[in-house]
Amino acid sequence: KAGVTQTPRYLIKTRGQQVTLSCSPISGHRSVSWYQQTPGQGLQFLFEYFSETQRNKGNFPGRFSGRQFSNSRSEMNVSTLELGDSALYLCASSSTGTGGRETQYFGPGTRLLVL
Amino acid sequence: AQTVTQSQPEMSVQEAETVTLSCTYDTSESDYYLFWYKQPPSRQMILVIRQEAYKQQNATENRFSVNFQKAAKSFSLKISDSQLGDAAMYFCASPQKGTSGTYKYIFGTGTRLKVLA
Repeated sequence: KAGVTQTPRYLIKTRGQQVTLSCSPISGHRSVSWYQQTPGQGLQFLFEYFSETQRNKGNFPGRFSGRQFSNSRSEMNVSTLELGDSALYLCASSSTGTGGRETQYFGPGTRLLVL
Repeated sequence: AQTVTQSQPEMSVQEAETVTLSCTYDTSESDYYLFWYKQPPSRQMILVIRQEAYKQQNATENRFSVNFQKAAKSFSLKISDSQLGDAAMYFCASPQKGTSGTYKYIFGTGTRLKVLA
């Protein structure tokens, strides 16, 4: 099976712009989670989608949003970019995400640099 | 709030030697998995090993094994016969139940492992 894919791999934006990142989960996986990784804050959970519905949300401002399509592909959007949004954004997929016994598989990440 | 603690920011090991990375976690769940992930310089998060909390037996995956102490909420990773390719950041992760009844993963701050030739 193909792994989790994320596009683009690298992005450079300027403050105030918006950005959309894409994630395609492993075939058959219906849960997609997004994480932000920065040197200062480590890995932080953004949100999780299942069957086109957001089920879980982390403590991020409303500028961070996401969605999931019927084929389980997910996008996340960050509006009005700030310098502090520079980070590695990781997407992870799992079968259903409903239990504490699910394994999450990660994509290669998208590196976002905000200038 | 649920926490995962990795108290060793950095560790070094000589090639072919054994090293143990520590992790403690806090969960109110009774049936869960625990995970170690490896993140090499490529930044790809790779699953190293998974422990099922209801199993007494420690998980083993080739040169990687865990020492799981459920009562102490401790979950350490042992790497035997260390290789240069093992150099990476290692993250311990524990699931946390959200208000919707589904789970998100809480990650520790990571341990950077250096392997010396």
